[in-house]
Amino acid sequence: DVKVTQSSRYLVKRTGEKVFLECVQDMDHENMFWYRQDPGLGLRLIYFSYDVKMKEKGDIPEGYSVSREKKERFSLILESASTNQTSMYLCASNSDRAWVNTEAFFGQGTRLTVV
Amino acid sequence: AQSVTQLDSHVSVSEGTPVLLRCNYSSSYSPSLFWYVQHPNKGLQLLLKYTSAATLVKGINGFEAEFKKSETSFHLTKPSAHMSDAAEYFCVVSDHGLTGGGNKLTFGTGTQLKVEL
Repeated sequence: DVKVTQSSRYLVKRTGEKVFLECVQDMDHENMFWYRQDPGLGLRLIYFSYDVKMKEKGDIPEGYSVSREKKERFSLILESASTNQTSMYLCASNSDRAWVNTEAFFGQGTRLTVV
Repeated sequence: AQSVTQLDSHVSVSEGTPVLLRCNYSSSYSPSLFWYVQHPNKGLQLLLKYTSAATLVKGINGFEAEFKKSETSFHLTKPSAHMSDAAEYFCVVSDHGLTGGGNKLTFGTGTQLKVEL
C-alpha cells in the first residue's frame, strides 16, 4: 500500500520558534509538494521539489523554506513561526516519468497552531 | 501560468438527484486534470483523472467528468447523489514545470457538497 507519512498530526508552537514538518514517501516518487489548506482558500502550494536537492517556490513561499536531502524525504521549515501560519499542512508526492502527470498521494496532514 | 476556478463554493442537492460541480481551468500546456474528494477529518482521495486519453473520464463511486478543451472546463457529475457523497471536492490542474522540471499541481478553492434527505 502506497504511503505518504507526515511526522505529526497535531503541533502547537510558540511565535518565533523554528518549526520542522517532516514528510516521507515510500513510492520512489520524484516530485514532492507542501501545501497549506485554509477554509475557503483550498490548497495553496508553498514549495515543491522534483529531485533531490532541487526546490521551486510555489504560490506562497514567504516565511517558509524546504529541504530535500534524500529522495524519500521532504521537510518544510518555518524559520520563525507566526500566528498567521496556523493552518493544516499537507504533503504530497507523485511521479511524472515520461511527462505523464500521475496521481498525487497525500499525507494525513499536520494541523499546526502557533500561539 | 496555470489556474483553476471552481465556480461554486457550496452546492446542495437532494439525495437521489444529479450532482454537478463546475471547474474551469487555465493552462499553457496540455494539462492533466484531476478531481479529489476530502471527507471530514480525512485525507484527500483521488476521484478521477484526465491525462489526454478519452475526454469522458469515469471515476470511483459513480462520478465522471468530461474534458472540454474549447470551454476549458472539467465539470464533475454524478447521476444520483448519495448521503455519503457529502464532502469537499477539489479540481486540480497539472502541467509540466515551466522552469525545467517537475509538474506543479494547482488546486481550486474547493466546493462543499451537501446532500439532503
